[in-house]
Amino acid sequence: KAGVTQTPRYLIKTRGQQVTLSCSPISGHRSVSWYQQTPGQGLQFLFEYFSETQRNKGNFPGRFSGRQFSNSRSEMNVSTLELGDSALYLCASSRDSHSGNTIYFGEGSWLTVV
Amino acid sequence: AQKITQTQPGMFVQEKEAVTLDCTYDTSDPSYGLFWYKQPSSGEMIFLIYQGSYDQQNATEGRYSLNFQKARKSANLVISASQLGDSAMYFCAMREWSGAGSYQLTFGKGTKLSVIP
Repeated sequence: KAGVTQTPRYLIKTRGQQVTLSCSPISGHRSVSWYQQTPGQGLQFLFEYFSETQRNKGNFPGRFSGRQFSNSRSEMNVSTLELGDSALYLCASSRDSHSGNTIYFGEGSWLTVV
Repeated sequence: AQKITQTQPGMFVQEKEAVTLDCTYDTSDPSYGLFWYKQPSSGEMIFLIYQGSYDQQNATEGRYSLNFQKARKSANLVISASQLGDSAMYFCAMREWSGAGSYQLTFGKGTKLSVIP
């Protein structure tokens, strides 16, 4: 059974650019959520999608956005990149919003902003 | 106030010995879930074990067990027979439900476990 797939694994961007990260959840999983991990702030929730609808959003500026497609794949976008956006971005998938114990993460996308 | 507290920034354990990683949590919601994840240096967050707030028995998954003490709001991870490959960061996380049926995980700051040969 394939796990959560995130692409790209590593990328370097310049300040002011934008970036799009992709996440393919485990087959049958309809909930996808995103987290940002930095040394200073730790792991922080970005947003959660279920059946193409964003149902919850963390405390991040509007430069951070996302979407989910009908096949449950999700993308997140960060516009006007800042140095502080350098982080590991992790995607998690779950079967549905009330599943008990199945929240699995991907390998993450390492973003460096220079 | 922190919702998930992991008081051990780093720990050492001898290979083949057991180790306990501490986690305390804070919530007023009667329905919640507690997770432990392992994160090696590669970055992947690996699911280890889950405990639901209504589960009567402590969860176990192979060499991992969760010592759940609800009244004390404690959910410690016990790793038996440590292996060199267990060296990694370990995160405790709590799932809470928000509006519209959504949820989010709140993570602790993690414990770096080093297994000594």
